[in-house]
Amino acid sequence: KQEVTQIPAALSVPEGENLVLNCSFTDSAIYNLQWFRQDPGKGLTSLLLIQSSQREQTSGRLNASLDKSSGRSTLYIAASQPGDSATYLCAVEETSGSRLTFGEGTQLTVNP
Amino acid sequence: KAGVTQTPRYLIKTRGQQVTLSCSPISGHRSVSWYQQTPGQGLQFLFEYFSETQRNKGNFPGRFSGRQFSNSRSEMNVSTLELGDSALYLCASSVGHGGNSPLHFGNGTRLTVT
Repeated sequence: KQEVTQIPAALSVPEGENLVLNCSFTDSAIYNLQWFRQDPGKGLTSLLLIQSSQREQTSGRLNASLDKSSGRSTLYIAASQPGDSATYLCAVEETSGSRLTFGEGTQLTVNP
Repeated sequence: KAGVTQTPRYLIKTRGQQVTLSCSPISGHRSVSWYQQTPGQGLQFLFEYFSETQRNKGNFPGRFSGRQFSNSRSEMNVSTLELGDSALYLCASSVGHGGNSPLHFGNGTRLTVT
């Protein structure tokens, strides 16, 4: 059974800092990995999707990497801003069309 | 383009009642998935529909059911509500079934069972 773990559970940083969020998964045979953002009381917003054949994806200040063999992904946020404060979740899709298995999330607070 | 719309946003029910939640996907999206989110269990997959057919089902009791209509809109029903069913229910749509299609989530329906 696939298990997804995110470390740390919570993170508080000053504005402008570069930071890394970690995601690990137990079964490396995945189809893709997605990073989402969730604001309080809201749904999830898709940030980046990395296909199993890819090593990284970038969108603006966000960069996500994937190392399938070690079962790890990182989300790098450059020059953090208070508006980045949210819970960040990673999820893996094991085969095409299968369900997503989510981690518990990292709650990020960026202080002005 | 309008996002995923879930109605109602909030719902309060008592134990033993039943409830129906609605989800309208993004125009052109044919796949709809449902997830339950609770503080203790996190996000758990309920089911996925594509072209009016259930393609995947999570480990939930038979009290949880769903369907999809020809216009891709989906409904989820929970019968004989229990206190533990209190959760945020999230619907997500994607263009197709699998194939690296990112999921687009609605803002959810917050269900409280008293």
